[in-house]
Amino acid sequence: LAKTTQPISMDSYEGQEVNITCSHNNIATNDYITWYQQFPSQGPRFIIQGYKTKVTNEVASLFIPADRKSSTLSLPRVSLSDTAVYYCLVSGAGSYQLTFGKGTKLSVIP
Amino acid sequence: GAVVSQHPSWVICKSGTSVKIECRSLDFQATTMFWYRQFPKQSLMLMATSNEGSKATYEQGVEKDKFLINHASLTLSTLTVTSAHPEDSSFYICSARSLKGLIYEQYFGPGTRLTVT
Repeated sequence: LAKTTQPISMDSYEGQEVNITCSHNNIATNDYITWYQQFPSQGPRFIIQGYKTKVTNEVASLFIPADRKSSTLSLPRVSLSDTAVYYCLVSGAGSYQLTFGKGTKLSVIP
Repeated sequence: GAVVSQHPSWVICKSGTSVKIECRSLDFQATTMFWYRQFPKQSLMLMATSNEGSKATYEQGVEKDKFLINHASLTLSTLTVTSAHPEDSSFYICSARSLKGLIYEQYFGPGTRLTVT
């Protein structure tokens, strides 16, 4: 399983765009990248998933460079309700178990 | 997205008793479900992989006789904490995977807060 490294914490003001980068140097060819959001005392919530280049949905964008050794979750115009822990995970069809790292605690400041 | 539920959302039990936690996939079938444990201010730790119709696979260090897992149907997995002790107090979260195209997406339940007194 590819190990991931993220910043432990980040602060942002409301209305700003937040980019959280995750490194996964040992990602395998058939692995894909998934980001989850977790609020206190709740289960993780799926945000976005991708394999390469750029993926966008209604809540976030995921940027993956050509070498796939890192990925960046982009949250546009964050609000106070985006304060949470964000986890980057790498898994593949053959290794579907998700191993959680420490995650990034995002604090949105008014 | 797919919905996973857990019951109960919280439970308090006395030391030495057993507690059962249910995990259900509400709108999809899941041949594989996962059980995690999360202590305060820590990340999720995978405890075991639950496979429908077969024995669960436990992670190293997790006692299979203490944490009994049963995956009797494609929508239900249960975790029973036997002879619970205060150190078993934790937040237990299940997840189930759903095939979307060629890849699997994993969806998590809301979690169950277990407090052993």
